[in-house]
Amino acid sequence: EAQVTQNPRYLITVTGKKLTVTCSQNMNHEYMSWYRQDPGLGLRQIYYSMNVEVTDKGDVPEGYKVSRKEKRNFPLILESPSPNQTSLYFCASSFHRDSRNTEAFFGQGTRLTVV
Amino acid sequence: SQKIEQNSEALNIQEGKTATLTCNYTNYSPAYLQWYRQDPGRGPVFLLLIRENEKEKRKERLKVTFDTTLKQSLFHITASQPADSATYLCALQYSSASKIIFGSGTRLSIRP
Repeated sequence: EAQVTQNPRYLITVTGKKLTVTCSQNMNHEYMSWYRQDPGLGLRQIYYSMNVEVTDKGDVPEGYKVSRKEKRNFPLILESPSPNQTSLYFCASSFHRDSRNTEAFFGQGTRLTVV
Repeated sequence: SQKIEQNSEALNIQEGKTATLTCNYTNYSPAYLQWYRQDPGRGPVFLLLIRENEKEKRKERLKVTFDTTLKQSLFHITASQPADSATYLCALQYSSASKIIFGSGTRLSIRP
């Protein structure tokens, strides 16, 4: 089954404790992206990657890191989480050189609480 | 920078009526315009894509139009049902190799 898998689904952590949210897709998509979603603010892009070893900042990259060492994986790293990073996070992937098929597939979401 | 506006934050309509959601954008027209459905706490799910050279696209009870002169897309759900209640997101893409930009969404409620 084609899917984007994020882990964990729920996470409560303390300020300053480094954490990683994993994202994996099995559709051979070039493009992967991380979003955060907060009430009233919609989906805001954190980082995106057009292909392996190619990453770029989105609209709200501060406090986050990503890496793209393999095509299928795109982990989101919070080196020193703070309470303002409490949010619902989504990973997404899509084809990006196929003009017939550019829709994004989203993961189930990770609800992060930083206390 | 590109701005996307989706009509009201929330729209309430009677079951059986047609729901119409609006997506307006600024600056130049995208190559692709997409619509997604999102249920509370879940990831958005793709519904329809329309290209800049297409005026209209249909899928079952869904219809999307794209007017590059007005810089607007309309999303219609005909014969609406309570199960259609969700948040609907509009998204733009300027080429198949560029990132997808999402609007903030419209929360649609269909009352029985």
